[in-house]
Amino acid sequence: SQQGEEDPQALSIQEGENATMNCSYKTSINNLQWYRQNSGRGLVHLILIRSNEREKHSGRLRVTLDTSKKSSSLLITASRAADTASYFCATGSNDYKLSFGAGTTVTVRA
Amino acid sequence: DGGITQSPKYLFRKEGQNVTLSCEQNLNHDAMYWYRQDPGQGLRLIYYSQIVNDFQKGDIAEGYSVSREKKESFPLTVTSAQKNPTAFYLCASSIMWQGIYEQYFGPGTRLTVT
Repeated sequence: SQQGEEDPQALSIQEGENATMNCSYKTSINNLQWYRQNSGRGLVHLILIRSNEREKHSGRLRVTLDTSKKSSSLLITASRAADTASYFCATGSNDYKLSFGAGTTVTVRA
Repeated sequence: DGGITQSPKYLFRKEGQNVTLSCEQNLNHDAMYWYRQDPGQGLRLIYYSQIVNDFQKGDIAEGYSVSREKKESFPLTVTSAQKNPTAFYLCASSIMWQGIYEQYFGPGTRLTVT
């Protein structure tokens, strides 16, 4: 079942601008992960944040997690054309499975 | 795409035929997964396997079957009972690290059934 819901569904920005997308979920989790998918390709893991963490950084990526609001955000700073992709959040609890949202499609215009 | 291979990249079949999608990993991961992705949608879990010779149904297992005879391999068969098989199929594997499973994905197989 899909637990995560990303918002917005689609985002178009100019190169150099920041892109922010949000993920909301319904049940308790022990981790939340963000993945990127280029058109027609597999998913690539970007960043993982545990339920006891509030913020993580990786290069130009910043992820926040608010467990009281059951939401997370992914910020991509200084976007590039190569950031054009779909971004998915996935929530995990204490088993092998992840629940993926429907994704946010980001288009970076040159 | 890491150490997970899926073949073929594109697959075409006639309605009523069974078709098997290949997934192989050389990451020594215990768990493997099959997902289905439809246009503009997220991933839906078909089957997953935690260890060899064991697998569990995901959210949309009807019309699909799997086997896990080797740690490295987790083939998916799309049977003629699957009512709408045309989709993009993704295989993944994972290993537990500090209580968390991070999944690694293959490049996917796009199946078209006419």
